[in-house]
Amino acid sequence: DTGVSQDPRHKITKRGQNVTFRCDPISEHNRLYWYRQTLGQGPEFLTYFQNEAQLEKSRLLSDRFSAERPKGSFSTLEIQRTEQGDSAMYLCASSLETGRNYGYTFGSGTRLTVV
Amino acid sequence: AQTVTQSQPEMSVQEAETVTLSCTYDTSESDYYLFWYKQPPSRQMILVIRQEAYKQQNATENRFSVNFQKAAKSFSLKISDSQLGDAAMYFCAYRSRTSGTYKYIFGTGTRLKVLA
Repeated sequence: DTGVSQDPRHKITKRGQNVTFRCDPISEHNRLYWYRQTLGQGPEFLTYFQNEAQLEKSRLLSDRFSAERPKGSFSTLEIQRTEQGDSAMYLCASSLETGRNYGYTFGSGTRLTVV
Repeated sequence: AQTVTQSQPEMSVQEAETVTLSCTYDTSESDYYLFWYKQPPSRQMILVIRQEAYKQQNATENRFSVNFQKAAKSFSLKISDSQLGDAAMYFCAYRSRTSGTYKYIFGTGTRLKVLA
């Protein structure tokens, strides 16, 4: 297993366009998380899945954002009608929390620039 | 709501010396986890060390150790024998153990520079 993979690594888009990011978690991990990180800040929680169920969403996740995790495997995060304020690093993480095994494994992120 | 504060935006340490990064948090919960994550310039965050709040013993991982003061809500990270590869952003994070959420709350980070 090569860890958590995110694609693309970088995305430049024009304001108003839609973008979609993909995250492939570690295969045996049942939980998957999306975070957003802006320059000089720590990651902020967006949403998380347990298997295919989306169990929690942040208020940061406006109606322009949607996330899916079909079949409990990879996940996609779509942003519709992008705005300049959406420019950030979008981080995906996964975990399998059993007993003493807890903590996230992060991907390398997708850097979004809205111009 | 829980908050995590890292009051040192940037720290420097000489190679082979010891440095301590500070983190304080606010919570009304009694059972939770605390973490330190490292984010090198390549941007992938890596777990450095974790602490369970119900444990009084401070966690250690090789050159990394924490000073967990539950009453003071303080969770500092000590890096001994600093190496050039330790240069990175370090984030402190909190996760509830009882509220049914698995989300982390991160601080704003401390940039650590290691001087040769």
